Amino acid sequence: AQSVTQLDSQVPVFEEAPVELRCNYSSSVSVYLFWYVQYPNQGLQLLLKYLSGSTLVKGINGFEAEFNKSQTSFHLRKPSVHISDTAEYFCAVSGGSNYKLTFGKGTLLTVNP
Amino acid sequence: GAGVSQSPSNKVTEKGKDVELRCDPISGHTALYWYRQSLGQGLEFLIYFQGNSAPDKSGLPSDRFSAERTGGSVSTLTIQRTQQEDSAVYLCASSRDSNYGYTFGSGTRLTVV
Repeated sequence: AQSVTQLDSQVPVFEEAPVELRCNYSSSVSVYLFWYVQYPNQGLQLLLKYLSGSTLVKGINGFEAEFNKSQTSFHLRKPSVHISDTAEYFCAVSGGSNYKLTFGKGTLLTVNP
Repeated sequence: GAGVSQSPSNKVTEKGKDVELRCDPISGHTALYWYRQSLGQGLEFLIYFQGNSAPDKSGLPSDRFSAERTGGSVSTLTIQRTQQEDSAVYLCASSRDSNYGYTFGSGTRLTVV
């Protein structure tokens, strides 16, 4: 079985500040890792994914994440956030023959002027 | 189509009525998923269709829930005798193969009164 823990339910930051949203996972098999963003009243949009290869993954809107196998983490970072980044962010994991995505509870990122 | 289309976007129904939620996946995507998003519960897997294989129904919460996928394309999620605890956003997603990351629709917000 797999599980995902997003360590912060809410993260408030000021515009142009850096941000890190934390995600830890547990799995008994090799994993694929994903970050999704959900803007108000919209579906989830894929930000980035780790399938294999380089552990530093770059996604859309200037976000990146680093896969750390020893720490079972996949933290999401952005060096300078904008007001428009205000949204809920979900970390998800799948792996092996398990095609289902297991999601974390989400982190609400609020960017203040 | 260009994206995953869900209808209706909003549905208000009386307790005890049946509802049908529709999902049109991206053309050519063989995998289709239904998830439920509710406050405090995060994203819950409901059901998975892959090509002509038997669907994985392991996430359906009760026998009041059922889903079908006709011709390997459009899917309908049916909830019979709706209850207030069924109120949630029902999200459909599709992918061209498993473990590649899904494309989500905007969801159907179901309110049972």
